[in-house]
Amino acid sequence: EVQLVESGGVVVQPGGSLRLSCAASGFTFDDYTMHWVRQAPGKGLEWVSLISWDDASTYYADFVKGRFTISRDYNKNSLYLEMNSLKTEDTALYYCAKASQPMLVFDYFDYWGQGTLVTVSS
Amino acid sequence: EIVLTQSPGTLSLSPGERATLSCRASQSVSSSYLAWYQQKPGQAPRLLIYGASSRATGIPDRFSGSGSGTDFTLTISRLDPEDFAVYYCQQCGRSPFTFGQGTRLEIK
Repeated sequence: EVQLVESGGVVVQPGGSLRLSCAASGFTFDDYTMHWVRQAPGKGLEWVSLISWDDASTYYADFVKGRFTISRDYNKNSLYLEMNSLKTEDTALYYCAKASQPMLVFDYFDYWGQGTLVTVSS
Repeated sequence: EIVLTQSPGTLSLSPGERATLSCRASQSVSSSYLAWYQQKPGQAPRLLIYGASSRATGIPDRFSGSGSGTDFTLTISRLDPEDFAVYYCQQCGRSPFTFGQGTRLEIK
């Protein structure tokens, strides 16, 4: 069974930093592109970033470029999102999601975690 | 960036009725890269349709997708009480990946 479990969400002050984690199991982590998607309270879904299965490609939404860094650890089957210079508008539930097909960058998402809440507030 | 515009914003229907949800793209999207997700309160999104018209595993056949180019549609043939939720379209063929703003399907 595929499982994606996010962690690391906390309350942080504007300008602060945070690292989110997503522990993956139930599939061959090495073969799949992984994503972060966020959802502000009461709002819609907003794609944040992706990292390819082979770590060769990363992409970011414009609103996080230069502030967030996506990475993955194959030994730990984990996905990460390093978040710096946080703004109040970064307050959201952050989901990790798995691409559906192996070794594709551009693909839909077949599994999502339950999310971890990041609150940026003074 | 490809902007996806969903309509209507809210759709009020009764169980047993037919629902038609629209997703319009600001640029042409290959059908291979158009997906639909369902989200219920307090839950993560769930994949319903991929490749514009293929149902994901376990999705009932009352859900169907259609369309091409810039206009896509999600149809629910006969609404079940469990279908009342928010629905999002997504394009995954170009970065940044984008979602529509969502259509809320509510019980009339």
